[in-house]
Amino acid sequence: AQSVTQLGSHVSVSEGALVLLRCNYSSSVPPYLFWYVQYPNQGLQLLLKYTTGATLVKGINGFEAEFKKSETSFHLTKPSAHMSDAAEYFCAVSDQAGTALIFGKGTTLSVSS
Amino acid sequence: DGGITQSPKYLFRKEGQNVTLSCEQNLNHDAMYWYRQDPGQGLRLIYYSQIVNDFQKGDIAEGYSVSREKKESFPLTVTSAQKNPTAFYLCASSFPTGGTVEAFFGQGTRLTVV
Repeated sequence: AQSVTQLGSHVSVSEGALVLLRCNYSSSVPPYLFWYVQYPNQGLQLLLKYTTGATLVKGINGFEAEFKKSETSFHLTKPSAHMSDAAEYFCAVSDQAGTALIFGKGTTLSVSS
Repeated sequence: DGGITQSPKYLFRKEGQNVTLSCEQNLNHDAMYWYRQDPGQGLRLIYYSQIVNDFQKGDIAEGYSVSREKKESFPLTVTSAQKNPTAFYLCASSFPTGGTVEAFFGQGTRLTVV
């Protein structure tokens, strides 16, 4: 069975600092991996996805993630945090197109000035 | 504009009553999903449907029911058998036959039992 573990339910950074949100997954087949962002009382918006090919994936708003098969990880990074990045972030996995995504429990990112 | 519409945004229900949450999409997506979100729990899958007139239970289907009579619509009924229905409910869709593996989400419905 697939699963996702997000390390750290809450991450705090200063504006301009590096953002690192950690995600480890479990999958018996090559996975599809996703990062979503959620602002309060809203739906989820896709930040980026990994399907096949290049292991470093660039997304919207300056975020990127690297798929590391040997470490079963898909950590999300952004070189310089902005106040508008404060939100909840979810990592998700699926094993094939059309199957439901399995989500981690989420990480709340706080950004201070 | 294409998208997923969930209604209502806020819903209040008395204990013992059934309530139906609406989800409509005009993206021509084949697959649709219902998730429940509780603080600190992430998103948990309730039901999903990959094709009209067919659906499967997810991890927490007890106390819920769905139908998929039209490609565009996937309503969720929260029945009185659901012990703790207060939560944020999210509907999503995807288009695997079109090469889209990610899910697109609606804006959610917040259900409160009073």
